[in-house]
Amino acid sequence: DTEVTQTPKHLVMGMTNKKSLKCEQHMGHRAMYWYKQKAKKPPELMFVYSYEKLSINESVPSRFSPECPNSSLLNLHLHALQPEDSALYLCASSQKRTGGRIEKLFFGSGTQLSVL
Amino acid sequence: AQKVTQAQTEISVVEKEDVTLDCVYETRDTTYYLFWYKQPPSGELVFLIRRNSFDEQNEISGRYSWNFQKSTSSFNFTITASQVVDSAVYFCALSDDRNSGNTPLVFGKGTRLSVIA
Repeated sequence: DTEVTQTPKHLVMGMTNKKSLKCEQHMGHRAMYWYKQKAKKPPELMFVYSYEKLSINESVPSRFSPECPNSSLLNLHLHALQPEDSALYLCASSQKRTGGRIEKLFFGSGTQLSVL
Repeated sequence: AQKVTQAQTEISVVEKEDVTLDCVYETRDTTYYLFWYKQPPSGELVFLIRRNSFDEQNEISGRYSWNFQKSTSSFNFTITASQVVDSAVYFCALSDDRNSGNTPLVFGKGTRLSVIA
């Protein structure tokens, strides 16, 4: 199984809603990532979890709240979003290694989020 | 600082033509990794290749080939005999050796390839 599964595939929410994006992998990867991708732009890193602990937060607004309940799951909780937060949200995972070897990231197909 | 430049924003070719996607990178590290990803309309990023900075051998995989030249800081990608299914956005990405290899990828802006039948 080399898949990263993201749900839902599409989400429309109002600015006062609370919703969550979910990501799951069963490859035994211990690093998981959230990226945000606006139309016609490259993915931009939001968060990195390493062994279920938040290791990188790229100055993301607090209306985005990540959670890693176990080694296979990664959530992104959304609250009071703005229309400019509309984007494709991509989850990725990789093996975590030390010693300089950088593993490839496996990406999910993303959640297309529209904030009205 | 890390930077990846993909100067070609969009390319259109006719099916069966060869096409080269350019990638130029900047890093101060001597150990780094370069990647190419494909993003079809379905949205997911599909891994194509990883190359480390100590391996300058060119690589061929079917219709795909990669030319890594440290002297010009380039890692170009060529598709031979392009097909309609190759239509996608292609991203070049860089990761260096900071943080014991757990530095996330820095992506270029991507090149949108359209292959016309």
